[in-house]
Amino acid sequence: NAGVTQTPKFRILKIGQSMTLQCTQDMNHNYMYWYRQDPGMGLKLIYYSVGAGITDKGEVPNGYNVSRSTTEDFPLRLELAAPSQTSVYFCASSLTGQGTWELFFGEGSRLTVL
Amino acid sequence: GENVEQHPSTLSVQEGDSAVIKCTYSDSASNYFPWYKQELGKRPQLIIDIRSNVGEKKDQRIAVTLNKTAKHFSLHITETQPEDSAVYFCAASNGADGLTFGKGTHLIIQP
Repeated sequence: NAGVTQTPKFRILKIGQSMTLQCTQDMNHNYMYWYRQDPGMGLKLIYYSVGAGITDKGEVPNGYNVSRSTTEDFPLRLELAAPSQTSVYFCASSLTGQGTWELFFGEGSRLTVL
Repeated sequence: GENVEQHPSTLSVQEGDSAVIKCTYSDSASNYFPWYKQELGKRPQLIIDIRSNVGEKKDQRIAVTLNKTAKHFSLHITETQPEDSAVYFCAASNGADGLTFGKGTHLIIQP
């Protein structure tokens, strides 16, 4: 199993550009999440999904969009990139409903907006 | 929503000593409290977790305690080793809508 795979690992964007961060998992997990991590600020939840076709906003959803057309994939879309979106983005998945809430994280995607 | 406070932000201990990191949470409905370790440039990984029906849990050199009344929980690492150097995050959750993380503690093990 590859676990949770994110691409790209690094990206530099200009202000106003758009891009999609890809996330896929091969563990058949029903729940998937996107977090952003800023220095000294911990991880903040952007969006999450409890299953294919269902998505919900987290703590910091503004400027982002997601979709969940399959169990495996949960892409994060940035529209009109802004310097405030410079961050490290982590995708995660979990198999809930089985007495466990452990999140399995991808390796992260470092995004810089200039 | 849930709010998790974590202290201290940086903790430096001598190798072999113990380290304690403390967290408080605000939502009394939270029932799951994990701790994640993140080494430099790596992804966070779960090291131990505790549920609200348990007061303490231990796994070799690490232990977590939970005080539901006071809404705080702590991570204890005994006999610290160089490989324990990392950033540690506490988190809380009341269900499936993701974890709310603390801001992290940078643990430094001095040789």
